[in-house]
Amino acid sequence: AQTVTQSQPEMSVQEAETVTLSCTYDTSESDYYLFWYKQPPSRQMILVIRQEAYKQQNATENRFSVNFQKAAKSFSLKISDSQLGDAAMYFCAYRSADTGTASKLTFGTGTRLQVTL
Amino acid sequence: AAGVIQSPRHLIKEKRETATLKCYPIPRHDTVYWYQQGPGQDPQFLISFYEKMQSDKGSIPDRFSAQQFSDYHSELNMSSLELGDSALYFCASSPKRGPYEQYFGPGTRLTVT
Repeated sequence: AQTVTQSQPEMSVQEAETVTLSCTYDTSESDYYLFWYKQPPSRQMILVIRQEAYKQQNATENRFSVNFQKAAKSFSLKISDSQLGDAAMYFCAYRSADTGTASKLTFGTGTRLQVTL
Repeated sequence: AAGVIQSPRHLIKEKRETATLKCYPIPRHDTVYWYQQGPGQDPQFLISFYEKMQSDKGSIPDRFSAQQFSDYHSELNMSSLELGDSALYFCASSPKRGPYEQYFGPGTRLTVT
C-alpha cells in the first residue's frame, strides 16, 4: 500500500515571501500521479498542481511549483510571493496510474500554512 | 465551469437514523469517488464507481452503501448512524482517461447527535 507523509504540521510565511512544503511518499509502483490540494477554511478541496511520475520536468502553475525527486520519493511544493489567500491546509496526495481501476487518492496528514503581514 | 454538486450541504441526524448523500459529477465525468474527512484529519477514501459499476473500495463500513446511476450521479446511503460518522463527506469526479485529476464537490457536513 502507498503512504504519504507530510512532516510539517504547521508552517508560517510572511506575505510576499517564499515557502516550501515537504512531502514524501512510499510506493512500489513506477507510474503514478502526485497532487497538491489546498483546503481553505471553507473546507473546499482545491487542486493546486499535478505531477506525472514519468515526467522529469517539474510542474509549475503560476506562483506554485514543485520539486519532484522520483528516486528520493519526494514531492515538495514551493509557493512564491505568498498572499494572504494562500493561508490554508495543504494536502499532498498520491494516485496510482493503474488504468484497471478508478484509483483513489491517498492523502498525507496535511500542513497548515499561515501567512502573516 | 460546472463543478461537482453535492446535496444536502448540511445534515443533522440522530443516532441509529439513516442518511442519504447525493453527488452530481461534472458533465462528461464518468467516475465518482466518495471520501470521508473527520475533524482535523485528512480525507479517507470510501468507495468509487466507474460507468455505474463499483471500481474500488476503501474503509467503508458495512452500514454504508453507495451506487452510481445511469445519469452518473451517485448516492451514499448511511444506516444505523453512529456519533463517529459525524464528518465532512466529499464527492469527487474525474474522467477515467486522461490526467486523472479528481475535482471535489463542496462536501456534505453530517452531524450525528
